[in-house]
Amino acid sequence: GAGVSQSPSNKVTEKGKDVELRCDPISGHTALYWYRQSLGQGLEFLIYFQGNSAPDKSGLPSDRFSAERTGGSVSTLTIQRTQQEDSAVYLCASTPRAGGDTQYFGPGTRLTVL
Amino acid sequence: KNEVEQSPQNLTAQEGEFITINCSYSVGISALHWLQQHPGGGIVSLFMLSSGKKKHGRLIATINIQEKHSSLHITASHPRDSAVYICAVWYYGQNFVFGPGTRLSVLP
Repeated sequence: GAGVSQSPSNKVTEKGKDVELRCDPISGHTALYWYRQSLGQGLEFLIYFQGNSAPDKSGLPSDRFSAERTGGSVSTLTIQRTQQEDSAVYLCASTPRAGGDTQYFGPGTRLTVL
Repeated sequence: KNEVEQSPQNLTAQEGEFITINCSYSVGISALHWLQQHPGGGIVSLFMLSSGKKKHGRLIATINIQEKHSSLHITASHPRDSAVYICAVWYYGQNFVFGPGTRLSVLP
């Protein structure tokens, strides 16, 4: 496709369940970013991938969060044992290279933890 | 601590007015981004700056690296410019830090 896609668009889950959120960046973009935006709050940086380099995980909110990027393309953000405070919109963006290029955002995944 | 501040927090303008939104940050950066988020939630990247000034249509963005300050200007504002404008700074291969956003409402 022409843009960044994310799936699912909406996810409702019960507290304690694991969820996987998927991001498919623009073809050829080497950098991929994950953010989240809680209701009524600002954007929060989670993690980014540059090519095949190991990501810096220090921005992830807790050890229940993990992310991977297979083959330098699709990325998955996994949240284990979800908590109500994990409810937010999770956004993915990609750029041709890290940090210094225009970001292209996906539509986001709205996660609701009951 | 890497902090990003924006002012004003909220702004209401009449159609046609010239608008300025300010962003300041605390430590050296490698790039600064201006983002626009419409009420539906979608985010669009407006500008990426590392120095100087950029212009796109009615939007102008400037950055002063020495003063650690950037401004976003909107000329001849229109109701469709109503959105939240977010400043984001990229710290040398480490991470993005976002400002709290400025909520702009342009009245017809």
